[in-house]
Amino acid sequence: AQKVTQAQTEISVVEKEDVTLDCVYETRDTTYYLFWYKQPPSGELVFLIRRNSFDEQNEISGRYSWNFQKSTSSFNFTITASQVVDSAVYFCALVDTGTASKLTFGTGTRLQVTL
Amino acid sequence: AAGVIQSPRHLIKEKRETATLKCYPIPRHDTVYWYQQGPGQDPQFLISFYEKMQSDKGSIPDRFSAQQFSDYHSELNMSSLELGDSALYFCASSLGGEKLFFGSGTQLSVL
Repeated sequence: AQKVTQAQTEISVVEKEDVTLDCVYETRDTTYYLFWYKQPPSGELVFLIRRNSFDEQNEISGRYSWNFQKSTSSFNFTITASQVVDSAVYFCALVDTGTASKLTFGTGTRLQVTL
Repeated sequence: AAGVIQSPRHLIKEKRETATLKCYPIPRHDTVYWYQQGPGQDPQFLISFYEKMQSDKGSIPDRFSAQQFSDYHSELNMSSLELGDSALYFCASSLGGEKLFFGSGTQLSVL
């Protein structure tokens, strides 16, 4: 069975601070994909990134960066110089080849960025 | 770019009524998924279709059914609604099972 754990339920930071959202996963499959989605207060789920299990290169996209470490089964997400518009619930998710592409989500981390 | 379209955006029903949610996937995407997100919960997989055939099933109650039509749009039918069915229902689509793109969701409230 696969499982995604986001231990941080809620994080509150002041604008311009850096913040890291943790994600730890479990899967028996050797081939899988990891995702991060953002859910702003308006409710939609916004795709941020997909990473496959063979690619451990870290990725940076603007103020966002992702640190994938297979050895610790972690896929952490960092926002640099946070902004109020970053306030949202962030979900980490996993899909492996044995589950026909359906996502298993973590319970989400609510990020609150204040002025 | 075209996104996943869901309708209606909001739906209010009484207990024991029936609801139908619609989803129009991104053109040329071959797979459609339905997810249910309860208040303060993470999305839970309900069912998926690949090329109009049911491909996988999750925690979908027997009172719910879904299908994908020849034009690739999908409908989720929910009967004998219960208070606990109140949730945000997402549809997502993908091509070849890669990135899943989600619609804006349908907020169902059962009174």
